[in-house]
Amino acid sequence: GAVVSQHPSWVICKSGTSVKIECRSLDFQATTMFWYRQFPKQSLMLMATSNEGSKATYEQGVEKDKFLINHASLTLSTLTVTSAHPEDSSFYICSASFRPWARTSVSDTQYFGPGTRLTVL
Amino acid sequence: EDKVVQSPLSLVVHEGDTVTLNCSYEVTNFRSLLWYKQEKKAPTFLFMLTSSGIEKKSGRLSSILDKKELFSILNITATQTGDSAIYLCAVEATSGTYKYIFGTGTRLKVLA
Repeated sequence: GAVVSQHPSWVICKSGTSVKIECRSLDFQATTMFWYRQFPKQSLMLMATSNEGSKATYEQGVEKDKFLINHASLTLSTLTVTSAHPEDSSFYICSASFRPWARTSVSDTQYFGPGTRLTVL
Repeated sequence: EDKVVQSPLSLVVHEGDTVTLNCSYEVTNFRSLLWYKQEKKAPTFLFMLTSSGIEKKSGRLSSILDKKELFSILNITATQTGDSAIYLCAVEATSGTYKYIFGTGTRLKVLA
């Protein structure tokens, strides 16, 4: 159980175009979804946290107008990279949690998707 | 089906104890195995392992990979309360494209 999928797995696009990445929880309702960006040999950089039905909370330094997040249902969140540029090329990973995010000292279990590789030419 | 299994699911120890966390995997086209520590939201990177038998060490933490038996262990010696976290194992695979398969983590709590 607790499977998270992402689509597409890999996308190559031209500079200036927009790309939408989907994150789905397949067998559970994900009240909270997280979007990360991964750089080689580095930590996952949290971009934003989204609770279903409300606006996403972006981390400092992440442009909300460039990385549009929609969490319209309990099983689907989308990340749209608008006007993508080569520096946006990266691995984007989402994760999902059963419960609404609360600022506790120990994190709740997150179930991670397999990631989407974005290459912008 | 690719999968990564971590054990135990949860562990409570006292300060000063040594713990061993396990990660086994069944993945096509293995590329690397990564360990993360998750205290709040975002996991922080600990180790990346690609070769069997070579121990990676950082302070009180160490990790090793066995590609024949398809597992890795993460050791923490002389545990401290600050080690309390969820430890995630992920395997990077290349099956036409890159993907990550995460385990569900081991929740470690270190008591003073």
